[in-house]
Amino acid sequence: GNSVTQMEGPVTLSEEAFLTINCTYTATGYPSLFWYVQYPGEGLQLLLKATKADDKGSNKGFEATYRKETTSFHLEKGSVQVSDSAVYFCALSEGNTDKLIFGTGTRLQVFP
Amino acid sequence: SAVISQKPSRDICQRGTSLTIQCQVDSQVTMMFWYRQQPGQSLTLIATANQGSEATYESGFVIDKFPISRPNLTFSTLTVSNMSPEDSSIYLCSVEDYGYTFGSGTRLTVV
Repeated sequence: GNSVTQMEGPVTLSEEAFLTINCTYTATGYPSLFWYVQYPGEGLQLLLKATKADDKGSNKGFEATYRKETTSFHLEKGSVQVSDSAVYFCALSEGNTDKLIFGTGTRLQVFP
Repeated sequence: SAVISQKPSRDICQRGTSLTIQCQVDSQVTMMFWYRQQPGQSLTLIATANQGSEATYESGFVIDKFPISRPNLTFSTLTVSNMSPEDSSIYLCSVEDYGYTFGSGTRLTVV
């Protein structure tokens, strides 16, 4: 079945460091791919999405490119801030059912 | 994007009791989804709710434990029945729009 694999956390960085959180997927067909962020004590927010191969989603300085050849959707940010500390979830939607399948989440901790 | 009002935001319940969680959406949507997020873990889909039909449950979830109502295109409820401490989780509803919008979640603690 379809699945999403994320790098384990926590990822600990200093402010202004470069961030990469790896995400790979297994899917039949052509799923849409998403990154969600969950700040401490809050609900889930959509960070960015991509719906087809080579699409790049971007928001708030974060980017991710849908790579069909490597089945990946890695999240990157050039310079992280303390306020980026949160849990990040990679997800895919199955086109025939519209339900989301989530990765296990990666906790990011940014220190000043 | 859609706005979802979910309540209660949190509750502490006695084992053996039931809790009903409500989600109200500010626009009409075909499908609503209910997820569970156990402590420190990812989200798992419980069921998909369409208006006018029985909810479709994922493997490991049954209607007797998690009955769902979907009386119209803007509202749904999830009941957690006969609760045990293992049901302590965050429960979230979701709808598909630009990128799936989630309610703010219900943090349930069963004691």
